[in-house]
Amino acid sequence: QKEVEQDPGPLSVPEGAIVSLNCTYSNSAFQYFMWYRQYSRKGPELLMYTYSSGNKEDGRFTAQVDKSSKYISLFIRDSQPSDSATYLCAMSEGGSNYKLTFGKGTLLTVNP
Amino acid sequence: EPEVTQTPSHQVTQMGQEVILRCVPISNHLYFYWYRQILGQKVEFLVSFYNNEISEKSEIFDDQFSVERPDGSNFTLKIRSTKLEDSAMYFCASGWGRTDTQYFGPGTRLTVL
Repeated sequence: QKEVEQDPGPLSVPEGAIVSLNCTYSNSAFQYFMWYRQYSRKGPELLMYTYSSGNKEDGRFTAQVDKSSKYISLFIRDSQPSDSATYLCAMSEGGSNYKLTFGKGTLLTVNP
Repeated sequence: EPEVTQTPSHQVTQMGQEVILRCVPISNHLYFYWYRQILGQKVEFLVSFYNNEISEKSEIFDDQFSVERPDGSNFTLKIRSTKLEDSAMYFCASGWGRTDTQYFGPGTRLTVL
């Protein structure tokens, strides 16, 4: 079983739609969960950072972590064409192990 | 807003040649990382660096790879003898604390011919 699984899409939605992006993971030691946005041939840009289970909201973005199900989500409300990018989930154990383990990314296109 | 910078943006080299990829992390950050992303694949961890020494390295980071912080601002990744399979985007990242968020640079695209 892969450590972090993410549906690669592609996902295409109309402008204004609510987008739901998800990752599952197998390593129960993961405690820190991040979502990055990556435009083509650019570096990952941090969007959301959460610790342990729960929800976190930042503007149009909401991150959810369910450690019991080993499942994390990113919701984008009122999606815009500028949100078109690849979204990467990433996780780390913390403690003495803080390397990030990434999902493969989901390619999102928001159509005007 | 401070950001991680990387040079060059694109490096083309012949197989067997040495390359040095350079990064300037965010100035007050203490933890430094290199990741790579082969085209169409996941971003993969290579190495982390703190207090002038390697903290952790992946299986990919073999004896052909080395990292250095030669001065107070630069952080470099050296590949001694490049192979075709080293062709990838290489990302530098930095963070203030050990479990703090990691901020990524724009990457260096390495092409090995």
